[in-house]
Amino acid sequence: NAGVTQTPKFRILKIGQSMTLQCAQDMNHNYMYWYRQDPGMGLKLIYYSVGAGITDKGEVPNGYNVSRSTTEDFPLRLELAAPSQTSVYFCASKTGGDFGELFFGEGSRLTVL
Amino acid sequence: DAKTTQPNSMESNEEEPVHLPCNHSTISGTDYIHWYRQLPSQGPEYVIHGLTSNVNNRMASLAIAEDRKSSTLILHRATLRDAAVYYCIHPNTSGTYKYIFGTGTRLKVLA
Repeated sequence: NAGVTQTPKFRILKIGQSMTLQCAQDMNHNYMYWYRQDPGMGLKLIYYSVGAGITDKGEVPNGYNVSRSTTEDFPLRLELAAPSQTSVYFCASKTGGDFGELFFGEGSRLTVL
Repeated sequence: DAKTTQPNSMESNEEEPVHLPCNHSTISGTDYIHWYRQLPSQGPEYVIHGLTSNVNNRMASLAIAEDRKSSTLILHRATLRDAAVYYCIHPNTSGTYKYIFGTGTRLKVLA
């Protein structure tokens, strides 16, 4: 039981490049989330999904896209990378219902130069 | 979106109790209060949650005000390993299921 797995752990991009951050969970959780965390700051919600085929914007969605074709996977796509997207990205998942503990991945550190 | 207010930072001596406050004046009647913590260079982890009554678990206690507009996370005996950023949130689970984190409280534990 691996929990929430994020790949890659580290990546350096050049301005204008694109990439996809992968997130997979093996807990059969319906709800999945993507956050970014800038140095010394709190977590900002980028996108979230309440089930396969359903996604919605969070606080800071601009510059990102997501898809949720399966329950297990929730990839985050960065198009035309910018230095402002340099951050640590965390993926999380939870069960449904009024309460469900959020399980976080270890994070993906992205640097855009 | 649900907003909470927490002090930016707090300090505690090792082996002493720590009370971390949180204001959540916009909380609705069905929102649970959650606390998470983030150890250095790690993703956040769940600490405790509650709705109306005070709650205890092996990690901490949660004291919830009667009007539910504030809560306090209590670490009974702080250790150096408790140094982390503590986040208080109250996701709207009757609506969007957005889990919005604020800036949290950075707890420093002094040896």
